Order: sequence, then structure tokens, then C-alpha cells
Amino acid sequence: AQRVTQPEKLLSVFKGAPVELKCNYSYSGSPELFWYVQYSRQRLQLLLRHISRESIKGFTADLNKGETSFHLKKPFAQEEDSAMYYCALGNGGYNKLIFGAGTRLAVHP
Amino acid sequence: GAVVSQHPSWVICKSGTSVKIECRSLDFQATTMFWYRQFPKQSLMLMATSNEGSKATYEQGVEKDKFLINHASLTLSTLTVTSAHPEDSSFYICSARGNRGGTEAFFGQGTRLTVV
Repeated sequence: AQRVTQPEKLLSVFKGAPVELKCNYSYSGSPELFWYVQYSRQRLQLLLRHISRESIKGFTADLNKGETSFHLKKPFAQEEDSAMYYCALGNGGYNKLIFGAGTRLAVHP
Repeated sequence: GAVVSQHPSWVICKSGTSVKIECRSLDFQATTMFWYRQFPKQSLMLMATSNEGSKATYEQGVEKDKFLINHASLTLSTLTVTSAHPEDSSFYICSARGNRGGTEAFFGQGTRLTVV
């Protein structure tokens, strides 16, 4: 079965602190992993995808197939990073895009 | 990025009536569209996936006769909630993937449905 787990509902940090939002997945095939972000009163938008291996707004995420994880990291959090973050899993045929429960990141001044 | 537009943004309807929600890809051809439902403070629950010109694939537990999905063109998919009841009240979100942006899916702004 295809499943995404985000164990933390809320992650609260101070500005400048490191951030790690956890994501684990379950999928027997070749997964495509994404991180989506939803800022207040805005639609979901793509933040990162594992195939790109890029850093966006200081965030990075590495796919670890051994641990079936795709954790999102940023070394120094900013207040504008406060948002809902969703980890998503697409299957190879891309006829499914499944989301985790989401983690709310709150960055305090 | 590519733009996906949902209409209406919100709708209130009476129990027993049907409501149609449109999802349009404005500047790209959407070969695949996803329909999600989101309850307050919860994640997006995938309802169905539709490919242009094909019947939608519904997730387990989603009534296909109640949530009719049509994807007749590469830029438009519709979700019709038939014989709506108060428990159908929710936030419905569409997402489209197509011939731009690789495997990225672009999201609509969502539609808030309230059934009274």
C-alpha cells in the first residue's frame, strides 16, 4: 500500500534554529517524493522534489531508500517559513499522489 | 509556474441538490487531474484520479455515483457532487499535472462546499 507518514503535527522553533520535518513513506515500487508548502490563505505549492536534488528557500530533502525517508531540512529557520508542509508520494505510473497529514511549522522571533 | 483555477471558490447548496465544481489548467494541458477532499485541520484525501478522455479511478471508499468526475478535455475537469448532504460539506481541491513541469502537480485554490 502507498502511504506517507508525517509524525509531527506541529514543529515550533525560534528564528535561526535548525529545522527538520520528518517524512517516511511506504511504497513497493520506485517512488517520487515531493514536499509541498501551504502558506496562510494560499494554495498548495511545490517546494521540492527528490529528482531535482535542489535547494529551495534554503530547504533541502534527501531521499533515503534504506530508511524510506524524505526529511525536509533547513539549517536556519526564518519567520517567513511558518506554514503547513506536506510530504507527498507519487507512484511510478503517476496515477496517485498521496499526501501525509502535514506538519505545521511555526517560527518564532 | 503553471496555473490551475477552480470555480467556484465557495458554494452553499441545499440538501438534495447537485453541485458542479470546475478545475481548469489555464496555461498547460493537464493530462492527469487529481481531486482531493480536505476536512478542517486535516490532510488532503485523494478521492480520484482522472486522465483526459478516460474514466476516473476512484479511491477505495469514494462513491463514484455520488462524486461524478469528468475530464473531457486537456484543460478542464469537473467534479459533481450529486444529491448533496450536509456530511458532504468540505473543502475540495483539484490538482493537475501535464506537459509542463515534469512530474510536478499544480493545485487549484480549492472550493469550500457547504450543504445546508
